[in-house]
Amino acid sequence: QQQVKQSPQSLIVQKGGISIINCAYENTAFDYFPWYQQFPGKGPALLIAIRPDVSEKKEGRFTISFNKSAKQFSLHIMDSQPGDSATYFCAASRSNYQLIWGAGTKLIIKP
Amino acid sequence: DVKVTQSSRYLVKRTGEKVFLECVQDMDHENMFWYRQDPGLGLRLIYFSYDVKMKEKGDIPEGYSVSREKKERFSLILESASTNQTSMYLCASRAPGIHSGANVLTFGAGSRLTVL
Repeated sequence: QQQVKQSPQSLIVQKGGISIINCAYENTAFDYFPWYQQFPGKGPALLIAIRPDVSEKKEGRFTISFNKSAKQFSLHIMDSQPGDSATYFCAASRSNYQLIWGAGTKLIIKP
Repeated sequence: DVKVTQSSRYLVKRTGEKVFLECVQDMDHENMFWYRQDPGLGLRLIYFSYDVKMKEKGDIPEGYSVSREKKERFSLILESASTNQTSMYLCASRAPGIHSGANVLTFGAGSRLTVL
């Protein structure tokens, strides 16, 4: 019940395309769902986060879509750019408790 | 700019050696964490600390210990390194509280440890 399942493990998208990464969770007590972005040689950094009182949150080209009934959330990257090539992690937590992490998705944007 | 600094970026150690991984943060954060990152396994929590002198086991504490003598410093110790501890180790810190930004982790750049 504590797991967060992330897919796909790797993803190749053409420049200008839409990148979509999906996560699913079991624990209905989770109320905070962040996405972290990690570039090679760097630690992960918070990209965008959502709470379950909204179904979508957008920041620039990055959008989180949240489906509470399905217990799923996804990251959409519009107009994907080579600079978006990175590893993306979804996570979930209950209030201020520990984050439960997905396994990560390695995204490659082809020029 | 807030920072979490991991002093050793790359280490190569031999089986049985004692290994110290140091982490320092300059944000006056009370909470600090050590994670291990392996391909396909995501981030796994080894130990965390809510305050000085305090430590709590995470999901995979076996073979590791930690030390937090000062607020800004959190050390991970491998008492007797083994080959299965070859990995990327990430330190993170977090501001306490229940405000909206409370569960944001700031990570260091990582320490890649190879145990031969």
